[in-house]
Amino acid sequence: DAKTTQPNSMESNEEEPVHLPCNHSTISGTDYIHWYRQLPSQGPEYVIHGLTSNVNNRMASLAIAEDRKSSTLILHRATLRDAAVYYCILSQRVGTGNQFYFGTGTSLTVIP
Amino acid sequence: EPEVTQTPSHQVTQMGQEVILRCVPISNHLYFYWYRQILGQKVEFLVSFYNNEISEKSEIFDDQFSVERPDGSNFTLKIRSTKLEDSAMYFCASSVGLAGWDEQFFGPGTRLTVL
Repeated sequence: DAKTTQPNSMESNEEEPVHLPCNHSTISGTDYIHWYRQLPSQGPEYVIHGLTSNVNNRMASLAIAEDRKSSTLILHRATLRDAAVYYCILSQRVGTGNQFYFGTGTSLTVIP
Repeated sequence: EPEVTQTPSHQVTQMGQEVILRCVPISNHLYFYWYRQILGQKVEFLVSFYNNEISEKSEIFDDQFSVERPDGSNFTLKIRSTKLEDSAMYFCASSVGLAGWDEQFFGPGTRLTVL
């Protein structure tokens, strides 16, 4: 399965931007890069996804390296509600399925 | 906003007993998934399901596991003879399609405790 590498933990001050890095050097040409987050005691929830170009939505921005071997999730202004484990996932279509292979994720702590 | 629901939220069972975990995917979704998360560990893929058939399964999904869509709304995961190591959070997810860009919507999970 495709592997992603993320730092185990990061801290950010409230109201400041956060850059969460992810390495995915084995990415193939058809893999999409997804970011999900998991709040305490909840299921994973979608944050953003992209293929080659940088992406923005109301939650975050995704910056994808030109060679696609790494990406960065950007939270523009961290709030206490953003404290969660953030997962960088490569979406691999296998047969008639599209499994998500989660890594260990980055646990984000937001300091008030 | 439509959401995936799961019941029960917490299931306690004795080792060797059968359990059925239930999920109601989002109504217009066609692809369904089960994942599990052992306490303190990463989320692991178990199985994907489409058109009343298993599409893919991981090595975790052995003969003790089965999935079913018994009617038009429910999607179930059955563990025939539970083991202590089956204790985990089990998440159901669904998606409209299986393109690389398709978002998977996850339920809140069922915590299974095997004693």
